[in-house]
Amino acid sequence: AQTVTQSQPEMSVQEAETVTLSCTYDTSESDYYLFWYKQPPSRQMILVIRQEAYKQQNATENRFSVNFQKAAKSFSLKISDSQLGDAAMYFCAYRTSQGGSEKLVFGKGTKLTVNP
Amino acid sequence: DGGITQSPKYLFRKEGQNVTLSCEQNLNHDAMYWYRQDPGQGLRLIYYSQIVNDFQKGDIAEGYSVSREKKESFPLTVTSAQKNPTAFYLCASSTLPSYNEQFFGPGTRLTVL
Repeated sequence: AQTVTQSQPEMSVQEAETVTLSCTYDTSESDYYLFWYKQPPSRQMILVIRQEAYKQQNATENRFSVNFQKAAKSFSLKISDSQLGDAAMYFCAYRTSQGGSEKLVFGKGTKLTVNP
Repeated sequence: DGGITQSPKYLFRKEGQNVTLSCEQNLNHDAMYWYRQDPGQGLRLIYYSQIVNDFQKGDIAEGYSVSREKKESFPLTVTSAQKNPTAFYLCASSTLPSYNEQFFGPGTRLTVL
């Protein structure tokens, strides 16, 4: 079974600085999908970024980018120019590409604090 | 506006009572999901449905039941068989194939007294 590990329960960053959140996963599959979700204090889950394993190019969405290392099974999230609104729980998630198994497997999350 | 609604936002029930959490979406999504979130934990899948009148168990289905009579609606019943029902419950939906983005509702906080 696939597992997702976020080794940093909490992180903090100064406003305007850059922070990297770590995620590793365990799978025997070659094709899959990876996600970073943000959960602010409102508890609404919001998709931050998505990566297809068959794509070598790292995904980027404005200030958010990933460092996807397939061989190392690592999927870290980099937040540049951090803003106060980035403060939230961040969850890494894995999704198989195989049909019939529809779940997202989530890590336990990293709580990000942004200091002014 | 398109989205997912969950009601109520907070729910209190006495131990031994069944309770039903509502989830409605107007995104025309085929797939819907129920997750449970506990403190310090990621989300865990309870049930999911890809089509009306069909649904599948997730990792922690024991003590829960669902129905999917309409495409827009996927209610979750927490039964008295669920040993530790106090948690935050999130509903989500997606287009198929379901490795597309899952959109989440605002959640329901269930407290069993």
